Amino acid sequence: EPEVTQTPSHQVTQMGQEVILRCVPISNHLYFYWYRQILGQKVEFLVSFYNNEISEKSEIFDDQFSVERPDGSNFTLKIRSTKLEDSAMYFCASSDSGEKLFFGSGTQLSVL
Amino acid sequence: EDQVTQSPEALRLQEGESSSLNCSYTVSGLRGLFWYRQDPGKGPEFLFTLYSAGEEKEKERLKATLTKKESFLHITAPKPEDSATYLCAVQAPAGNKLTFGGGTRVLVKP
Repeated sequence: EPEVTQTPSHQVTQMGQEVILRCVPISNHLYFYWYRQILGQKVEFLVSFYNNEISEKSEIFDDQFSVERPDGSNFTLKIRSTKLEDSAMYFCASSDSGEKLFFGSGTQLSVL
Repeated sequence: EDQVTQSPEALRLQEGESSSLNCSYTVSGLRGLFWYRQDPGKGPEFLFTLYSAGEEKEKERLKATLTKKESFLHITAPKPEDSATYLCAVQAPAGNKLTFGGGTRVLVKP
């Protein structure tokens, strides 16, 4: 069964460093998303991406964040200057319809 | 602002002991209500989508129902492998983001 693949599974970084989280969505999907889940809290929407542009973003998704689809298969989330409060599990998701989302297993980001 | 509240936060069941999880929501028009299962350290796994009040969906021991203000996930005769966190999410007509509730952690003991 097709699945969303995320790498790395764990990322440890120093505060102020840049990180790039990578995702390979399901191949025929057109809608791509990033969500995050801080330990013990709700899954939170960050950004949605369709037709090579951001279609919606949350208040969390400020200028420190950016997304890119550099080729036909990858979808990345970049955090330019990480903060302690960016520590969370980051989930990539994709959808063919914009409704039923398929999530990856996540990247656990730890900012020290 | 869309809001989703799930109860209870945690549920301990004996194998075979049926129960229901609640998801109350406030949304400016409902495009869809979604149930997901999340295992520890994993991403949410899609279970059901419900679109209108009165709709019901079933999958194995799980049955989801929807009213205008809430949804229920009924677990019938659960098994230990049903242990997981069950997440409810809503999607408004404008945009396609999901707003999640806090989840219900279900533990089914043999």
